[in-house]
Amino acid sequence: AQKVTQAQTEISVVEKEDVTLDCVYETRDTTYYLFWYKQPPSGELVFLIRRNSFDEQNEISGRYSWNFQKSTSSFNFTITASQVVDSAVYFCALTKGSGTYKYIFGTGTRLKVLA
Amino acid sequence: EAGVAQSPRYKIIEKRQSVAFWCNPISGHATLYWYQQILGQGPKLLIQFQNNGVVDDSQLPKDRFSAERLKGVDSTLKIQPAKLEDSAVYLCASSLRAAGVGINEQFFGPGTRLTVL
Repeated sequence: AQKVTQAQTEISVVEKEDVTLDCVYETRDTTYYLFWYKQPPSGELVFLIRRNSFDEQNEISGRYSWNFQKSTSSFNFTITASQVVDSAVYFCALTKGSGTYKYIFGTGTRLKVLA
Repeated sequence: EAGVAQSPRYKIIEKRQSVAFWCNPISGHATLYWYQQILGQGPKLLIQFQNNGVVDDSQLPKDRFSAERLKGVDSTLKIQPAKLEDSAVYLCASSLRAAGVGINEQFFGPGTRLTVL
């Protein structure tokens, strides 16, 4: 069975601090995809990144970076120099890499960035 | 490019009443999803359509929930009769395709917040 665990329920940081959101996943599939979505107070989930199981290269996009480690089944998300606009709930999701793509979401981490 | 549209944004009903939600996906997206997101939890897939056919409805409470996507474009999700535990945000998402070669990310609508009293 597939499972995504986001152990951090809520994190509060002061603006300009760095923050890492943890995501641990379980799957028996050798091919799978991992995602991060942001859910601001407006409610709409916004796609941030997709990573397939064969690509362990870390990725950086502006202040955002992602660390994918298959050895620990983790796909962590770091925000550098956080800003108030980063305040949102962040979800990690998993889907298998073949057949029909059914997303399994974690419970989310609420990030509060204080000015 | 227009995003995924949903209506209404908010709905308050009493238990045992019926309610329907509407979703219009991004133009050209073959796959449409309905999710239920209970407060403090991640979205849970209720049903997935590929064009107008159902791909996965294993987590849909079929005794009270139904969904259709008759022309392979927009979709409606209905609850009849509603229970207190149905209070949640109902999210619609779409993607270019759901299966086959390559994967496309899902694009989500703003959701409908349902309160059952």
